[in-house]
Amino acid sequence: QVQLQESGPGLVKPLQTLSLTCTVSGGSISSDSYYWSWIRQPAGKGLEWIGRMSASGTTNYNPSLKSRVTISIDASMKQFSLRLRSVTAADSALYYCAREFQYGQSCYMDVWGKGTSVTVSS
Amino acid sequence: SYELTQPPSVSVSPGQTARITCSGDALPRKYAYWYQQKSGQAPVVVIYDDTKRPPGIPERFSGSNSRTVATLTISGAQVEDEADYYCYSTDSITNHGVFGGGTKLTVL
Repeated sequence: QVQLQESGPGLVKPLQTLSLTCTVSGGSISSDSYYWSWIRQPAGKGLEWIGRMSASGTTNYNPSLKSRVTISIDASMKQFSLRLRSVTAADSALYYCAREFQYGQSCYMDVWGKGTSVTVSS
Repeated sequence: SYELTQPPSVSVSPGQTARITCSGDALPRKYAYWYQQKSGQAPVVVIYDDTKRPPGIPERFSGSNSRTVATLTISGAQVEDEADYYCYSTDSITNHGVFGGGTKLTVL
């Protein structure tokens, strides 16, 4: 059974870069059936899709974050990462990594990590 | 940018039917998905591909998609169904993902 685990600093200074890693266990990160995604949720608010990347390198990013976001995959380590540049307090949130199943018209997150909290503060 | 619109809250008594709607212009062309998020937990998919229920999800959960409105129906809602529910879909042109704003379901 595939499991995902987020890791990274819980505190980031304003204008610096937020970097998180998601480790995949119990399954392959290289399958063509899946994208690897990041979602965030500010405290008390709703879910926001950040972006996704396939093992072959295809990416999609939320237009509102596209200029600051990079998602990458290290298949040898079975990890994928999120980098968010020039952060502000508005980027403080619980960050989830997720596996996004894609087949035909189907496209949805079927496995989620537990989430990691990131606070942007000096 | 593409948006999905949900009511902020829905309230029902135990045993009643709860219906949560999600409106979006691309829903005639893209599947809708429904996630349940209980307090302090990661979201769990309860409906995928508009109408399908994953293994382990109770039969009282069902989904429909009619033109620009997708609906999550909980027939005979239970107290344990109290949660936030989010619809999710993709933009038909850019393929990027979008969540609805979420609906807080109260069962009491």
